[in-house]
Amino acid sequence: GEDVEQSLFLSVREGDSSVINCTYTDSSSTYLYWYKQEPGAGLQLLTYIFSNMDMKQDQRLTVLLNKKDKHLSLRIADTQTGDSAIYFCAEGRGTALIFGKGTTLSVSS
Amino acid sequence: ETGVTQTPRHLVMGMTNKKSLKCEQHLGHNAMYWYKQSAKKPLELMFVYNFKEQTENNSVPSRFSPECPNSSHLFLHLHTLQPEDSALYLCASSPLGSSGGYEQYFGPGTRLTVT
Repeated sequence: GEDVEQSLFLSVREGDSSVINCTYTDSSSTYLYWYKQEPGAGLQLLTYIFSNMDMKQDQRLTVLLNKKDKHLSLRIADTQTGDSAIYFCAEGRGTALIFGKGTTLSVSS
Repeated sequence: ETGVTQTPRHLVMGMTNKKSLKCEQHLGHNAMYWYKQSAKKPLELMFVYNFKEQTENNSVPSRFSPECPNSSHLFLHLHTLQPEDSALYLCASSPLGSSGGYEQYFGPGTRLTVT
């Protein structure tokens, strides 16, 4: 199986909350990251969480980490059409990041 | 604008051509990376440079040749590529050991098409 797994698609209505889930395999990963990629652009770092934390909130973004289950989630509150993009989960291993395939978030008005 | 620039943004080349991709970071970071992003595949790490020294080469074919003359610049030299090498090539840099661990900042990428 893949090192980092994500569901490929998520569709939500504007104003709803979006929850993007991710599972990883390396229990020694110290940091876990969420990136956003808009069409024709590179990856933008959204947020990260240290492995000794359970939750991190940053404005509309909430990251939850369940280290026991190696499960990471990103919640976007009040989702807007501008949030439509591909969201990548990544785990840190040394100086490298291992990425999932990305979840395409589609927001309809 | 992330502070990482890449040129060119788009490149079309034949299989017998030689071309180079350029990446420059204005963030004072110590590590730089090349990734390949193909449709329906995870982002693939190609090369890692820490303080100008190559520390990782993920079994990349020799038709891809990286060069890191200083910690701000990174090149990817291309020669005799194959059509399956068509992809988005992303450059990233990292401060190494900052509060976010090894968070990476990406450039906009070069869209490469091999004909």
